[in-house]
Amino acid sequence: QLQLQASGPGLVKPSETLSLHCTVSGGSVTSENYYWAWIRQTAGKRLEWIGYVFYSGNLVYSPPLKSRLALSIDSSKNQFSLKLTSVTAADTGLYYCARGVARAGNGQLDVWGLGIPVTVSS
Amino acid sequence: SYELTQPPSVSVSPGQTARITCSGDALPRKYVYWYQLKSDQAPVLIIYEDNKRPSGIPERFSGSSSGSMATLTITGTQVADEADYYCFSTDSSGNHRVFGGGTQLTVL
Repeated sequence: QLQLQASGPGLVKPSETLSLHCTVSGGSVTSENYYWAWIRQTAGKRLEWIGYVFYSGNLVYSPPLKSRLALSIDSSKNQFSLKLTSVTAADTGLYYCARGVARAGNGQLDVWGLGIPVTVSS
Repeated sequence: SYELTQPPSVSVSPGQTARITCSGDALPRKYVYWYQLKSDQAPVLIIYEDNKRPSGIPERFSGSSSGSMATLTITGTQVADEADYYCFSTDSSGNHRVFGGGTQLTVL
């Protein structure tokens, strides 16, 4: 059974870079049938789609975050990662990693990890 | 930017039918997905591509889409179904993927 576990610092200073990793167990990040996504829940419980990455290297980023965002996959560790630069308090939230099924619509996130809380504060 | 609109809250009594709507201009052309979020749990996909139910999701959950509105229907709602429900879709270009604002379902 596929499981995802996010890890990273819970506290980041404003203007610094947020780095999160999501370790995949019970499956492989190299599968062509899936993509690997990040989503966050911010103030007021709003969900925001961040972006996703295919093992092939194809990347899709949320337009508002695109200039600050970098997603990647490390097959040797069977994990995928997020880097978000120049963070502000608006980036505070609960960050989820998820697996998506590569098919029409690309909105089928069929396995999620537990969220990891991130606070941006000095 | 593209938006999906959901009612903030829906309340039903146990055993009744709950309907949660999601409206968006591109829904006639784009699939809708529905997610269930409960505190301290991983979110769960309950409907994909408008009306398909993943394995393991109870039959009381169903989805439909007509015109600019999609609907998640829970028939015979149970107390265990209390959660926040979010729809998810994209704009016409496919470039903007968004979640609705979420609907808190109360069963009492």
